[in-house]
Amino acid sequence: RKEVEQDPGPFNVPEGATVAFNCTYSNSASQSFFWYRQDCRKEPKLLMSVYSSGNEDGRFTAQLNRASQYISLLIRDSKLSDSATYLCAVKTAGNKLTFGGGTRVLVKP
Amino acid sequence: GAGVSQTPSNKVTEKGKYVELRCDPISGHTALYWYRQSLGQGPEFLIYFQGTGAADDSGLPNDRFFAVRPEGSVSTLKIQRTERGDSAVYLCASSPGTSGGGANVLTFGAGSRLTVL
Repeated sequence: RKEVEQDPGPFNVPEGATVAFNCTYSNSASQSFFWYRQDCRKEPKLLMSVYSSGNEDGRFTAQLNRASQYISLLIRDSKLSDSATYLCAVKTAGNKLTFGGGTRVLVKP
Repeated sequence: GAGVSQTPSNKVTEKGKYVELRCDPISGHTALYWYRQSLGQGPEFLIYFQGTGAADDSGLPNDRFFAVRPEGSVSTLKIQRTERGDSAVYLCASSPGTSGGGANVLTFGAGSRLTVL
């Protein structure tokens, strides 16, 4: 089993709709959690950190469920520019950051 | 510098050759990471430096791969006897590396695309 797993998608989302997807992690001792966004042929860029109580940044909401060992990302009012691959990242032992395989989101007019 | 700089941006080499990839992290960042990303996959951890020392090299696939960071700033990833399966984008990232909320926030470079023929 991989340490961090994501549904690869693609999630085809009508413009203006809401989309949500999860990322599961296997190490219960994982400490920090992040969502990164990666555009085609570009480097990953931090979208948001995920806090224990959940957090929101504009149209993006991140949640952490420690009991079930997953994090989620919800995008409201999807824009065409939200089309990208969303990578979750989990900090385990030391400062090693492990990434999932990414979830591809395609927002269509 | 303002961001993480990686050179070369593209490297084409022949099977069996030696390759060096360079990473210049954000000034003052003590932590430096190397990842490898194949098409359609997420970044795969290779090695992490805290200062000059390799804090975790558990992701290096075999002894053909080696990385150094002699002065705690610039890092070089070295690949000996390259194989076709080494073809990928090699990403470097740096982070402040100290305690606090931003310690583990990675900033990535644009990557070095390696093609082994």
